[in-house]
Amino acid sequence: SQELEQSPQSLIVQEGKNLTINCTSSKTLYGLYWYKQKYGEGLIFLMMLQKGGEEKSHEKITAKLDEKKQQSSLHITASQPSHAGIYLCGADNQAGTALIFGKGTTLSVSS
Amino acid sequence: DSGVTQTPKHLITATGQRVTLRCSPRSGDLSVYWYQQSLDQGLQFLIHYYNGEERAKGNILERFSAQQFPDLHSELNLSSLELGDSALYFCASSVDTAKTQYFGPGTRLLVL
Repeated sequence: SQELEQSPQSLIVQEGKNLTINCTSSKTLYGLYWYKQKYGEGLIFLMMLQKGGEEKSHEKITAKLDEKKQQSSLHITASQPSHAGIYLCGADNQAGTALIFGKGTTLSVSS
Repeated sequence: DSGVTQTPKHLITATGQRVTLRCSPRSGDLSVYWYQQSLDQGLQFLIHYYNGEERAKGNILERFSAQQFPDLHSELNLSSLELGDSALYFCASSVDTAKTQYFGPGTRLLVL
């Protein structure tokens, strides 16, 4: 079965610094989703990547999917306290009937 | 606000009891998914319904069942509850299978 591994598990950065979160799959990714979650709350959809080499940006967050479609990265530029939360990568299972999630990366931004 | 609503927000019950969690998908979405999130297991897929029919099952216990009604809202029924069932239960919806899923705010279940 497919597994997603996220790194790092947690991250503390100073406000204004850049950071990168990685998501590695044990199998080829058909659809890769990035979500953000505040502790105990619902998941907020950030971006979806599907094609090898694809890159998408929204405000200060950029997500990339590598050419082999087995690894994705989420890069935040000039972090702000509002970026703090848990970032989860999710992938379509082969049938497209569900999402498989990584364990998440907890981001704290100190001001 | 994702447009997906879940009720109740919090639920406290005792072992052996039965509870029902409710989900209303975004307007126009035909697919509803249920997930369980716990500290040790992370976010796990339970079950998927599309336009009233069960489409896929994940790690869903036999004590748990779900259905999607003609108006597309869905209910997740949890019975013979155990302490280990305490978790956050999320509903998500999408316009179709293999499309972006939008998550509700979740129901926090505490079994005492």
